[in-house]
Amino acid sequence: EPEVTQTPSHQVTQMGQEVILRCVPISNHLYFYWYRQILGQKVEFLVSFYNNEISEKSEIFDDQFSVERPDGSNFTLKIRSTKLEDSAMYFCASNTGHGSNYGYTFGSGTRLTVV
Amino acid sequence: DQQVKQNSPSLSVQEGRISILNCDYTNSMFDYFLWYKKYPAEGPTFLISISSIKDKNEDGRFTVFLNKSAKHLSLHIVPSQPGDSAVYFCAASPEYGNKLVFGAGTILRVKS
Repeated sequence: EPEVTQTPSHQVTQMGQEVILRCVPISNHLYFYWYRQILGQKVEFLVSFYNNEISEKSEIFDDQFSVERPDGSNFTLKIRSTKLEDSAMYFCASNTGHGSNYGYTFGSGTRLTVV
Repeated sequence: DQQVKQNSPSLSVQEGRISILNCDYTNSMFDYFLWYKKYPAEGPTFLISISSIKDKNEDGRFTVFLNKSAKHLSLHIVPSQPGDSAVYFCAASPEYGNKLVFGAGTILRVKS
C-alpha cells in the first residue's frame, strides 16, 4: 500500500535555529498538507499546497514557516527560527483531490523538540 | 476552535462487544467526515469516511453513521478486538481536498 514518508523521525534543535522537515507524498496525489500535534492537544492544520502554491494556511503558519516542493517528489516544511512552542509532532498528508473512500494519507510524523 | 467535538475522552469495552464513538460538529458547511485511528508516536491511519449525501457507510467491522440534522456522527466497531485499542479521531472538511478539522480524540481500550 502506498505510503507518505517523513524524515527525520525525530529532530532536536536549539531555539532560534532553522529546521527543515521532509516528506515524500504518494506519487499520484495532488494535494499536500502539513499538520501538527502539540503533546496532549488536537491535531491542527498548518497549510495546504496544490499546483505548486499554498492553497490555504492557518493562523499558526506565520512568516516563520514556509513550504516547498523543490523537485516534484519532496514536500518540505521549513521553520526559520524555531521557538520552544514549536515543539510538536509534525505530520505530512496527501490526497488525490478527488472524491474518494481513501481519505487523506498521513505520514508517521516528525517529532520536533526545540531546546 | 471547537468546530468538531469528541466529548468522551475515553471508552472501555469488552472484547467482542460493540464500541461506539461519538462526534459532534457545529459548522454546517462541513460536508465530508472521516475517522482516523492513531497509536502513540505514529501518524493517523484512515479508517472510514462519509459524505453528507449518505447517512451510513460500512467497511468490514467499521460503520459510520451521519445525522446531519443533529450534526452528529458515530463510529461503530463490531466486534471490538484488543488491537482496536488506540486513540480515535473524528475529522471534518467542507469538501474533499480541503483542510481537515480534528476533534480532540477518544481513547478506546478493548479489554480481553
